[in-house]
Formats: sequence, C-alpha cells, structure tokens
Amino acid sequence: EAGVTQFPSHSVIEKGQTVTLRCDPISGHDNLYWYRRVMGKEIKFLLHFVKESKQDESGMPNNRFLAERTGGTYSTLKVQPAELEDSGVYFCASHRGVNTGELFFGEGSRLTVL
Amino acid sequence: GQSLEQPSEVTAVEGAIVQINCTYQTSGFYGLSWYQQHDGGAPTFLSYNALDGLEETGRFSSFLSRSDSYGYLLLQELQMKDSASYFCAVKGGATNKLIFGTGTLLAVQP
Repeated sequence: EAGVTQFPSHSVIEKGQTVTLRCDPISGHDNLYWYRRVMGKEIKFLLHFVKESKQDESGMPNNRFLAERTGGTYSTLKVQPAELEDSGVYFCASHRGVNTGELFFGEGSRLTVL
Repeated sequence: GQSLEQPSEVTAVEGAIVQINCTYQTSGFYGLSWYQQHDGGAPTFLSYNALDGLEETGRFSSFLSRSDSYGYLLLQELQMKDSASYFCAVKGGATNKLIFGTGTLLAVQP
C-alpha cells in the first residue's frame, strides 16, 4: 500500500508568486489534514477534510491560502501571493474512519519564499 | 484553545533510559499521541493514550495522567537511531483534530 505522497518536495519562489502543493493520501482514507512546521516551532494544524468537505479550517492563516479536495481524493494547497512568513514545511496526513490518534504523514513539501 | 509544552532538547547516552514530558491544556480531551520525526521527514506514529496509565510497545512506553494534564514518553535501551525529534499531540477540541507540541530533539551519544 502506497503511503501519503506530497509534491513537490521542495519549492523555492519569490515573494508575490504563487505555489500549489499537492497531497495524495493513502487510498481509502477519507480524512486528510494539512499541517505546517516553521523551523523550531510546533507542527501547526491548518485544516481538515472529510472526503471533499472542509471539516475544520480554523488553522488557515489568511485568505492567501486555499485548500481544495475535489472528488475527495487528492488535495491541493495554494498560496497566492506568497509572503516571506509562509516559508516552512507543509505536511499532509491522512487516516481512515475515526481518528484514533494515529495519522499517516507524508514527507512534506518544503517551501522557501525569498 | 489548546497548548502543549515539552522540553526543547534532551541528551542521553546509548543504552540509557530517557523520559520526555508533555503537559497540555485543552478543551475537550480525547487522548495524547506521540510521534517521532527523523531529520525533518515524515512524522511517524509511536503511541496513543486515551486512558490513564502506561502503555508499553517494545522499548517505548507512554504514560498519561488526565487529572494532571500530563504525559510522558519513555525510551529504554537507547540506540543511536533513536536520535530524532519527538512530538506529543493532543486530540481534542470541538472537531477532534490533533494539535502538536513544538517537539523535543533527542540526541543519543555513544
């Protein structure tokens, strides 16, 4: 069974540009989460999808961030326009059914905004 | 809101035992998880405690005291490969999501 995959693994863009991150969860996992880690800080919750619906988007920093999960399979997280403080590692995680405390994480997408 | 506190760094020697503590504040608590992360890669699940007490899985054990809003991860017979960041995460709040701490960087020395 393939794990959670994320693309790209690393992206370097300039302030004001747009970046789209993609996450493919484990097949059959209805629950999909986006998290972000800025160096030295916590792994911060951004939002949670159940299938194609946003269950909780309370962690999204502002309206420059847009997450979608059309069809309830893969998800994208777009940052437009990117700012310097958006730099960090964006992790995607998924699980099936009830949240038992075990999430399956991808390797993350490292975003550097110059 | 929810918050967690854990030490930023811990150092121990190979073969020793180390305990990483975690205190939390949350509205609506369901359980405490622990994750390991090597070199900034994918965090991997270690354990989950929903009830008070000690859960043992091989060399790793995790403890929870709900009344004290406190838990710890115990690593025994430390090996060099245990050098990593360890995160506690509380499952709680209105939507049952996992909220992570800032992580503890464990350095195992020979």
